[in-house]
Amino acid sequence: SQQGEEDPQALSIQEGENATMNCSYKTSINNLQWYRQNSGRGLVHLILIRSNEREKHSGRLRVTLDTSKKSSSLLITASRAADTASYFCATRSGNTPLVFGKGTRLSVIA
Amino acid sequence: DAGVIQSPRHEVTEMGQEVTLRCKPISGHNSLFWYRQTMMRGLELLIYFNNNVPIDDSGMPEDRFSAKMPNASFSTLKIQPSEPRDSAVYFCASSLAGGGPSTDTQYFGPGTRLTVL
Repeated sequence: SQQGEEDPQALSIQEGENATMNCSYKTSINNLQWYRQNSGRGLVHLILIRSNEREKHSGRLRVTLDTSKKSSSLLITASRAADTASYFCATRSGNTPLVFGKGTRLSVIA
Repeated sequence: DAGVIQSPRHEVTEMGQEVTLRCKPISGHNSLFWYRQTMMRGLELLIYFNNNVPIDDSGMPEDRFSAKMPNASFSTLKIQPSEPRDSAVYFCASSLAGGGPSTDTQYFGPGTRLTVL
């Protein structure tokens, strides 16, 4: 069953703009992860945020987690054409394996 | 470092034929996952193994699907007989379980694109 749901389903921006994607989930979690998938490739892990963390940075990526609202956001600053991909959130609850959402398709136009 | 290796990368077969997908996880990882990805259903977990033992196969769609992990460095996903609705991209992923939430990351292979005619 799907735990995380990304919003929006698709996003198109100009190069240099910031891109924000959101993820909502239903049950309490141990951690939440974001993955990227380029066309025709496997998913690649971007960042993991634990349930007791509120914000995390990695390069141009910023992830926030609000456990009271059961939501997370992924911000990509100063986007580049190479950031064009699908982005998935995945949640880990208890001893169950990661559950992935359906993803946000990001298009960065040069 | 070699990542997760999957073979074949592409498979085209006819309905009714047996299909075997192969996966070599990252050395040292003790959890292995098989996923199926389609436009309609997204990424679905089919089955996962811990220390070569199947833990949860509730995602396997039908008895036509079976998976094995005879050792820590090899797993197969078999579909017999195959049907057109099995057409999808099948991913294998591995991780190091038991090390706490910071080692929860899954590493995906490049996938096998299966087309059943």
